[in-house]
Amino acid sequence: QVQLQQSGPQLVQPSQILSLTCAISGDSVSNNGAAWNWIRQSPSRGLEWLGRAYYRSEWHIDYASFVKSRISIIPDTSKNQFSLQLNSVTPEDTAVYYCARDAPVGDDYLDFWAQGTLVTVSS
Amino acid sequence: QSVLTQPPSVSAAPGQKVTVSCSGSSSNIQHNYVCWYQQLPGTAPRLLIYETNKRPSGIPDRFSGSKSGTSATLGITGLQTGDEADYYCGTWDGADYVFGTGTKVTVL
Repeated sequence: QVQLQQSGPQLVQPSQILSLTCAISGDSVSNNGAAWNWIRQSPSRGLEWLGRAYYRSEWHIDYASFVKSRISIIPDTSKNQFSLQLNSVTPEDTAVYYCARDAPVGDDYLDFWAQGTLVTVSS
Repeated sequence: QSVLTQPPSVSAAPGQKVTVSCSGSSSNIQHNYVCWYQQLPGTAPRLLIYETNKRPSGIPDRFSGSKSGTSATLGITGLQTGDEADYYCGTWDGADYVFGTGTKVTVL
């Protein structure tokens, strides 16, 4: 059974970097069929896909168009985890952040999700 | 705002059927598979339907999915109190994965 465990600060100051990590058990971040995603949810903006990392003989990273200029998703094979970095945050980035797996078989669907982390951007 | 539009809420009595619509366009639903996610209060979303009409292991056959043109539909039959939740559709729109606006299902 795949399990995803998130960690990271729950309070970030405006203009700083939001950083979260998702540790994977029961699968490998280098799984040649899966993809590893970050999604966030807020009352005002709903569910928003932020991006994903996946390995197909080499690493590929996709970012959502609306956040592309200030996001990084970084896989770490040595720790079997992947991380999210969001730069220059504002209160608009306050949300519950989730990591999730895109299943290794079939078309894209998010079959395992972490519990979520409420990140508040405030001074 | 999301490019996938859902009704804010639907409701029905226990044992009845509800449908949740997800309206999109030719750039998303029409040419891609659709997923549905269920979100119980205070929890992460859970995959309910994938590839438009398939159910993951453990999801009862009371839940079904379909698609026609630029719209998709989630059906729930034999409604139970445990089905009270928010439901979201999801699919690709170009290079972005997008979610619907969400529908709250209430069991009367």
